[in-house]
Amino acid sequence: QQQVKQSPQSLIVQKGGISIINCAYENTAFDYFPWYQQFPGKGPALLIAIRPDVSEKKEGRFTISFNKSAKQFSLHIMDSQPGDSATYFCAASIGGYQKVTFGIGTKLQVIP
Amino acid sequence: DVKVTQSSRYLVKRTGEKVFLECVQDMDHENMFWYRQDPGLGLRLIYFSYDVKMKEKGDIPEGYSVSREKKERFSLILESASTNQTSMYLCASSVRTNTEAFFGQGTRLTVV
Repeated sequence: QQQVKQSPQSLIVQKGGISIINCAYENTAFDYFPWYQQFPGKGPALLIAIRPDVSEKKEGRFTISFNKSAKQFSLHIMDSQPGDSATYFCAASIGGYQKVTFGIGTKLQVIP
Repeated sequence: DVKVTQSSRYLVKRTGEKVFLECVQDMDHENMFWYRQDPGLGLRLIYFSYDVKMKEKGDIPEGYSVSREKKERFSLILESASTNQTSMYLCASSVRTNTEAFFGQGTRLTVV
């Protein structure tokens, strides 16, 4: 049973385009929603995170949009660059980091 | 910088062997975690520890055990390795009151 559903599993975007990754969750007790970025041969690293009391958070070219009523959140990467090519994981947890539930990951490839 | 170090990048073990995966963090973090990463399944939590000698089961603890005798070190033990435990294993740590997890580079374990 997947508590955090992530789509698509793979994504190819042209340089300069917008990359969009979507996630949905079931458990309304989740109160922290991080996104992790993983490059080949490396462990995941925190990219950006949001709490459900805000609908959007932006850090540079990365934006999280959050829809509490729909239980959905998404990552937008504006002006995508080849250096953004990585696997992205959405995640959710209750009360902080313990027992974080991850999505299945999205492999993003940004082509020149 | 926080550093989480996993003792091996690659391991090949035989079915039935007892396998130890070691993880050390250098930032005095209270929480430590073991995940396995499989294509199409994302990151799944095996065990976590929030203090020395304390442990809690994650979502897929069967076939695994852990040990945390010192704050900086968290070991994952496969009592009798099986082929279905072939996977990428990721260790992570976090400060108790913080929500960001720091991951090691991963250990790719192959059980033959």
